[in-house]
Parts: sequence; C-alpha cells; structure tokens
Amino acid sequence: DGGITQSPKYLFRKEGQNVTLSCEQNLNHDAMYWYRQDPGQGLRLIYYSQIVNDFQKGDIAEGYSVSREKKESFPLTVTSAQKNPTAFYLCASSDRVAGELFFGEGSRLTVL
Amino acid sequence: ILNVEQSPQSLHVQEGDSTNFTCSFPSSNFYALHWYRWETAKSPEALFVMTLNGDEKKKGRISATLNTKEGYSYLYIKGSQPEDSATYLCAFGSGNTGKLIFGQGTTLQVKP
Repeated sequence: DGGITQSPKYLFRKEGQNVTLSCEQNLNHDAMYWYRQDPGQGLRLIYYSQIVNDFQKGDIAEGYSVSREKKESFPLTVTSAQKNPTAFYLCASSDRVAGELFFGEGSRLTVL
Repeated sequence: ILNVEQSPQSLHVQEGDSTNFTCSFPSSNFYALHWYRWETAKSPEALFVMTLNGDEKKKGRISATLNTKEGYSYLYIKGSQPEDSATYLCAFGSGNTGKLIFGQGTTLQVKP
C-alpha cells in the first residue's frame, strides 16, 4: 500500500537532547513537508522540500534541521536549541509543489 | 509570514442543519487553495484543491467556492450529519515560494 510512514508515534525526550523523527513515503512524490501542531493552533510549517537535496525553511524553522538525501525520506531533527519542542508533528508529501497533501499519522514528542 | 484566517473557530449544529465556514488568505501570489478534513485520531484528508478564481467544487454534501481576487473561500456542508464532526482546515499555496500555509481550522460538532 502506498503511503507515508512516520516513526516513532510517541517519543519522550529529556531536555538538552536532540531527537530525530522519521518520515518515509512510497508515493514517489517530489515534495515533502513538516508541520507542527500545538493545542488550539493550526498546522505551522517547519521545513519543506520540493526536490531531493533541496529544502527551505518554513515559518518556524528555528531549532529544527532536516535533510533530503533520498526522494522517499525527509527526517526532522529537533535540536536542543528548540525552546518548546513538546508538540504533535505531522509529515506530508505531494506529487507537485503546493499540490494535494498526503499526511502521515504523526509523531507526538514530549520533553520531560 | 503569510496570514491564513479561518472563521468561525468552532461550531455546534444539530443534525440536518446546513453550515458554512470561511477561509481568508492573501490575494497576491496565489497558486492553490486546499480544504482538508481532520477527524479525531486520524490524519488530515484532502477534500478539495482549487486553483482558479471562481472555482466551485462538490463532493457529496460538501462544496467549496473560491475567490482569489478578494482572497476568500467558503466551505459548505448541506444537511450536516454526526460523521461530519471534524476539524476543517484550509491551506494557501503560494506561487512564488511553494509553501502551503494552514489556517487554524474550524472545529465542527454535529449533534444527533
């Protein structure tokens, strides 16, 4: 089945630790996105990539890093520089720039 | 930062009522306007992707219109059912950056 797989589903981290969230898609999509959701807020764009080996900052990129070495993979690292990392993270992909998004099931990160 | 606003923030209706929501977005550098439905414990799913001014799209009891010149889109649900209960998100696609920016969503609760 084609789709987007995010892992882990739940993650606990101590303050000061980096953590990497995985996002893999087998839809052969060029574009991939990372969003963050906080209670009472919409989805805020962290990073996006329109093609392999290229990515752009979204509106809230500070404290995050990404890579896009393979078309199917777009991992997100939440660094210790991110001041408030506890949130729900959604990865999505589309077959073209600003095309219909297909979402993963999300990863919930809690910093203890 | 591009501003995408949705109203109302939440809505409670009775089964059988018809309802509508608004999404406001920048009228410059328009590329696409998306509507998604996000049910609890599921991933957001696309309802419509609209690209042309004056577009009207329909899927069953749900329809949407688009006015790119004035920067708004309406989503209509005719004869609401309890299974329509969800958060409805709109997303603005920017032509010059490829970003997809979401509004905060409208949460609909349909009472039987």
